[in-house]
Amino acid sequence: DTGVSQDPRHKITKRGQNVTFRCDPISEHNRLYWYRQTLGQGPEFLTYFQNEAQLEKSRLLSDRFSAERPKGSFSTLEIQRTEQGDSAMYLCASSLIAYEQYFGPGTRLTVT
Amino acid sequence: AQSVAQPEDQVNVAEGNPLTVKCTYSVSGNPYLFWYVQYPNRGLQFLLKYITGDNLVKGSYGFEAEFNKSQTSFHLKKPSALVSDSALYFCAVRDMGGNTGKLIFGQGTTLQVKP
Repeated sequence: DTGVSQDPRHKITKRGQNVTFRCDPISEHNRLYWYRQTLGQGPEFLTYFQNEAQLEKSRLLSDRFSAERPKGSFSTLEIQRTEQGDSAMYLCASSLIAYEQYFGPGTRLTVT
Repeated sequence: AQSVAQPEDQVNVAEGNPLTVKCTYSVSGNPYLFWYVQYPNRGLQFLLKYITGDNLVKGSYGFEAEFNKSQTSFHLKKPSALVSDSALYFCAVRDMGGNTGKLIFGQGTTLQVKP
């Protein structure tokens, strides 16, 4: 499968725990995006990487959130001290140019 | 501020009938517009885009969309709906405020196609 992959697909955690998600983009894509989608809403932009550089972060990304893309390949999104409001689907997308983005299947996070 | 509106939470259509899912946008300058489809517990699948050129854009699975600049609309259409088209559809516009290419999505429209 040459599409965008995300791991894990589902994560249940207790409030206050840290979680980390991984995204593997399409191999030749230099642009990588993270979005968050809550029930009944469209995805909302979180952050953007061009190669290994994180060039934009949304105000939605509080200090508890951090993202990396070492060597411009896979990316990780970490949430520290999770809160119930963090429960959502976290989507990763990649693109080669600033046109259509290709999305992974998402990681569904449930904070109890 | 740039935004996308999908005025219908749900669209119901009988199989074989034409379908339309509505989208209007608000951006400064020329918009880059997209439609995506999402099946339950899945990510978003790209359907089609409008960047420039012909106002009628053809995409995957028989879908097409019509760009109307005067009405700031980009409605998704299909001549004959299939039950398998039932899913959640999102319209999106590229944020023209920078060079990131990030997308601004509408709230989504659930399409229900009944046999």
